[in-house]
Amino acid sequence: RKEVEQDPGPFNVPEGATVAFNCTYSNSASQSFFWYRQDCRKEPKLLMSVYSSGNEDGRFTAQLNRASQYISLLIRDSKLSDSATYLCVVSFSGGGADGLTFGKGTHLIIQP
Amino acid sequence: ETGVTQSPTHLIKTRGQQVTLRCSSQSGHNTVSWYQQALGQGPQFIFQYYREEENGRGNFPPRFSGLQFPNYSSELNVNALELDDSALYLCASSYQATNEKLFFGSGTQLSVL
Repeated sequence: RKEVEQDPGPFNVPEGATVAFNCTYSNSASQSFFWYRQDCRKEPKLLMSVYSSGNEDGRFTAQLNRASQYISLLIRDSKLSDSATYLCVVSFSGGGADGLTFGKGTHLIIQP
Repeated sequence: ETGVTQSPTHLIKTRGQQVTLRCSSQSGHNTVSWYQQALGQGPQFIFQYYREEENGRGNFPPRFSGLQFPNYSSELNVNALELDDSALYLCASSYQATNEKLFFGSGTQLSVL
């Protein structure tokens, strides 16, 4: 079964802190990996793609560990506006025919 | 703004009824994917339409069906509605059936009573 597992939280973090969360995926043949952000009752939005070499976008760093089949997201200097649900997403094929497989999301609350 | 529009934004139906949801894809995109997101869950892939043909399907029964039109807009039809069909239905557009850059619409919230 194709699954993506992540800790639902909530993670309550003070503003300015660093927070990290992981997810694991079951299919070792997975091709593409992403983090999406979803605000309450809104649509998911692509935060960043995740590559084996790791990638960084401002305060956000994503890492992929293919051997252990997990993906991580690190947020540095967290802002109140970072409060959201972060969805770990995996594509099991190179194309779109299998769709994206989403985790249930990790709820992050940044506190002033 | 992603340029992906969905209608209606909210809908209330009763069990056994049929519903049609609509999606207009972003300009230049020829692929539309539909997802169902139940409360507290991540979105689940229903199916994808590419150049007016169903290009892939998730684990949903045949009463979930779709169409894509020549202008690449799309419809999701659900027959014989069940209570568990209550969810946020999301449409995502992309180019050339890729998963690399999906742009989601704001969704249709369906409540089945």
